Amino acid sequence: QVQLHESGPGLVKPSETLSLTCTVSGYSITSYYYWGWIRQPPGKGLEWIENIYHSGSTYYNPSLRSRVTISLDTSKNQFSLQLTSVTAADTAVYYCVHILTGPFYFDYWGQGTLVTVSS
Amino acid sequence: EVVLTQSPGTLSLSPGQRAALSCRASQSVNSSYLAWYQQKPGQAPRVLIYGASSRATGIPDRFSGSGSGTDFTLTISRLEPEDFAVYYCQQYDGSSWTFGQGTKVEIK
Repeated sequence: QVQLHESGPGLVKPSETLSLTCTVSGYSITSYYYWGWIRQPPGKGLEWIENIYHSGSTYYNPSLRSRVTISLDTSKNQFSLQLTSVTAADTAVYYCVHILTGPFYFDYWGQGTLVTVSS
Repeated sequence: EVVLTQSPGTLSLSPGQRAALSCRASQSVNSSYLAWYQQKPGQAPRVLIYGASSRATGIPDRFSGSGSGTDFTLTISRLEPEDFAVYYCQQYDGSSWTFGQGTKVEIK
C-alpha cells in the first residue's frame, strides 16, 4: 500500500517560490510508476500540475510549464514541487499523487496541504 | 489540450434514485485513459472508475461507467447517503492529464 504525505510552508509571499515535498512510504519511487502533483483552489476543481516518471522524465501542465519544476530524491524516497513567482491565484490545496502506469489514473493521493499566497 | 465538460453542474436527487453524470471531451479520448473520481468535503479524491468502465478496487457495483470517443457517463444506480459528493472525470492524452470541472450530487 502506497502512502504519500505532503510537507512544506503553509504561507508563501507573492512573487516568491512555493516548495513542497512528498514523502512516499510503502513503495520505492524508483520503481515503475509516475509521481505527481495536483492542486485545488478553495471551492474549485482539480488542476493537474506535473508528473515525473521513475526514470526522471517529466510532464508539465502547459499553463504552468514556465513556472514549475518536479524532481526526485531517491535517497529519501521523496519527490518535490517548486512553483516560482507565485500569486494569490496559486493559493490551493496541493496533493501529491501516484499514477498507475498503463491506465494512467491517480490511484493514491496524499491528504493534501493548503498553501496560501499572501503578504 | 483536451477540455472535459461535465454536466450538470449540480444534480439534486434523493437517496435511492439513479444518477447519471455526463463528461464530454473537446476531442476524442482513448477510453482506456478515462477515469472518474469522487471527492467528499475535506478529503482527497478517490478513484471510482478507470478505463471508462472498470471499477477500482473496493468500489460498490452501484457505480458504473460507460462511453467512448467524446461522450462518457458515470451512473450511480441507487444513491446511498454516502454518495452525495462531487464527481470529476479525468483523461490522459499521451502527454498531459486534464479534469472536468466537476458535478456536485446533492441531497434533494
